[in-house]
Amino acid sequence: AQKVTQAQTEISVVEKEDVTLDCVYETRDTTYYLFWYKQPPSGELVFLIRRNSFDEQNEISGRYSWNFQKSTSSFNFTITASQVVDSAVYFCALSEAPRTDKLIFGTGTRLQVFP
Amino acid sequence: GAVVSQHPSWVICKSGTSVKIECRSLDFQATTMFWYRQFPKQSLMLMATSNEGSKATYEQGVEKDKFLINHASLTLSTLTVTSAHPEDSSFYICSAEEWGQYNEQFFGPGTRLTVL
Repeated sequence: AQKVTQAQTEISVVEKEDVTLDCVYETRDTTYYLFWYKQPPSGELVFLIRRNSFDEQNEISGRYSWNFQKSTSSFNFTITASQVVDSAVYFCALSEAPRTDKLIFGTGTRLQVFP
Repeated sequence: GAVVSQHPSWVICKSGTSVKIECRSLDFQATTMFWYRQFPKQSLMLMATSNEGSKATYEQGVEKDKFLINHASLTLSTLTVTSAHPEDSSFYICSAEEWGQYNEQFFGPGTRLTVL
């Protein structure tokens, strides 16, 4: 069965610290997509990244980086030099063939960055 | 960038009344729209998928007669919560998939429904 686990419910850090948000997924399929979304207090989900199952390359985008490891079924997200504006709930999500548009969300990790 | 709006952003209604929530894609055509529900401090759960001009596909456990979805055009989908009760109070979020851009969803800002 498909499932996304974000074991960290809440994380608190001080500004400029690095923080890693964990995501572990379960899927029966070999073709799937993994996503990360940010949900700030305003509520609107912001798309951060999409990764397909055939692309295990790590990705870096500014202060954000993602580590995809199929061997451990993990897709972890690291924020380097965190800022107060990074405070939000972060969701990891999975979709698999044939319904690759159907997103299965994890329970989210609430990140609080203190000044 | 692709923008999705929702209206209203929040609504309070009395038990037994019906509430309609609109989801619009502002600068693109959306062949598929999705409706999610999010309880406080919980994850998003997909309720239904709607395609323009056809009936919505509901996820298991979602009452289609209670949550009426109409996707009348390529830019508008509506969710009507019929005979709302306090347990329907939740945050409802829609997303839209741009035509030709399969597997990329753009989310609306959400609608907070409170049923008294």
